[in-house]
Amino acid sequence: DAGVIQSPRHEVTEMGQEVTLRCKPISGHDYLFWYRQTMMRGLELLIYFNNNVPIDDSGMPEDRFSAKMPNASFSTLKIQPSEPRDSAVYFCASSNVGEGELFFGEGSRLTVL
Amino acid sequence: AQSVTQLGSHVSVSEGALVLLRCNYSSSVPPYLFWYVQYPNQGLQLLLKYTSAATLVKGINGFEAEFKKSETSFHLTKPSAHMSDAAEYFCASKDSGYSTLTFGKGTMLLVSP
Repeated sequence: DAGVIQSPRHEVTEMGQEVTLRCKPISGHDYLFWYRQTMMRGLELLIYFNNNVPIDDSGMPEDRFSAKMPNASFSTLKIQPSEPRDSAVYFCASSNVGEGELFFGEGSRLTVL
Repeated sequence: AQSVTQLGSHVSVSEGALVLLRCNYSSSVPPYLFWYVQYPNQGLQLLLKYTSAATLVKGINGFEAEFKKSETSFHLTKPSAHMSDAAEYFCASKDSGYSTLTFGKGTMLLVSP
């Protein structure tokens, strides 16, 4: 059974460039979460979806960040324009309703120069 | 609002020694509780979860945790540490009416030979 799949695993880009991170959740899961992890701030919830609908985006740091989930098997997190302070590991996770344990992807490590 | 407190950002033990990682939660309703482990350059993996079925929960890799409502605690233990246990450990809680997990800041477990 495939887990949560994220791409790219590593991304190095220059300030001002657009970055798109991708996530394929576990089939049948109806919740999808985007987290950001940094040494300074730890794990931060950015946004989550239920049945492809954004439920809470209060963790999205600013308008430069946007997330979409066009269907049950795909989501993107976009940063435009990127800044050095966006450098972090971005995790996607999915879960089912109920006990709600999250299944995490391997993460996308973003470095903005 | 929920909160999860992990006492000690770093815990050092010798190989073969007892591992004790502390977690306290704040919730008016007994929540669902989780311990996750994160190895370097990987996503978070579920170690174990408490869902009110039994107060002593056994997880993978010899770890277990005990839910103590009177102490609002869910400490993680392992009788004998192994070098491969070196990782970061996260405690998380979820109330039954919510979709998201609240994570603690994590505890880095260091195991010395």
